[in-house]
Amino acid sequence: DQQVKQNSPSLSVQEGRISILNCDYTNSMFDYFLWYKKYPAEGPTFLISISSIKDKNEDGRFTVFLNKSAKHLSLHIVPSQPGDSAVYFCAASEYNGGNQFYFGTGTSLTVIP
Amino acid sequence: DAGVIQSPRHEVTEMGQEVTLRCKPISGHNSLFWYRQTMMRGLELLIYFNNNVPIDDSGMPEDRFSAKMPNASFSTLKIQPSEPRDSAVYFCASSFTDGGTQHFGDGTRLSIL
Repeated sequence: DQQVKQNSPSLSVQEGRISILNCDYTNSMFDYFLWYKKYPAEGPTFLISISSIKDKNEDGRFTVFLNKSAKHLSLHIVPSQPGDSAVYFCAASEYNGGNQFYFGTGTSLTVIP
Repeated sequence: DAGVIQSPRHEVTEMGQEVTLRCKPISGHNSLFWYRQTMMRGLELLIYFNNNVPIDDSGMPEDRFSAKMPNASFSTLKIQPSEPRDSAVYFCASSFTDGGTQHFGDGTRLSIL
């Protein structure tokens, strides 16, 4: 009953190219979405978020796209750098659901120099 | 500023022993979350507290797991008795109750032999 799904456990990309990480969700009540980045032996750190009133949010090399009708979001990293190699978690929450986040299983990104 | 502090960073113990994980949230944050990270389920919420009160413990896998938050600056997650399948990385996170991102500690890597 995973409400947030990341179907690609891993992704490899050449340095300088675009990385696209995908996330699907099942709960139509979710209205706030986040991406977290995790390095080995560290806790996840917040990367970027988007609310359901938008379909795109950009922060430097990172852009998150939201397609509410498809219940799908994606994270684009352009250009990819070796330091971006990490595990990326997608998370979602409901406005009226308190501050509980539902996380996906993560996608391990490797950027090859 | 001090982030979320978890201890110990690593714990190795034998099956049947009691395990206690500790967390100090960020000062001023009034929500605290305990997660378990596994390959199959990603970041799985075990329990969360608002203003030291447990709000949702539906993620606690069994009665062997218990969590307390005696004051705003300290929480424990206890497993008694521990089993090999409890081996995982356990994260604590904190945030403001009225929303915003969750800030994670660096986790406790638990190994039950």
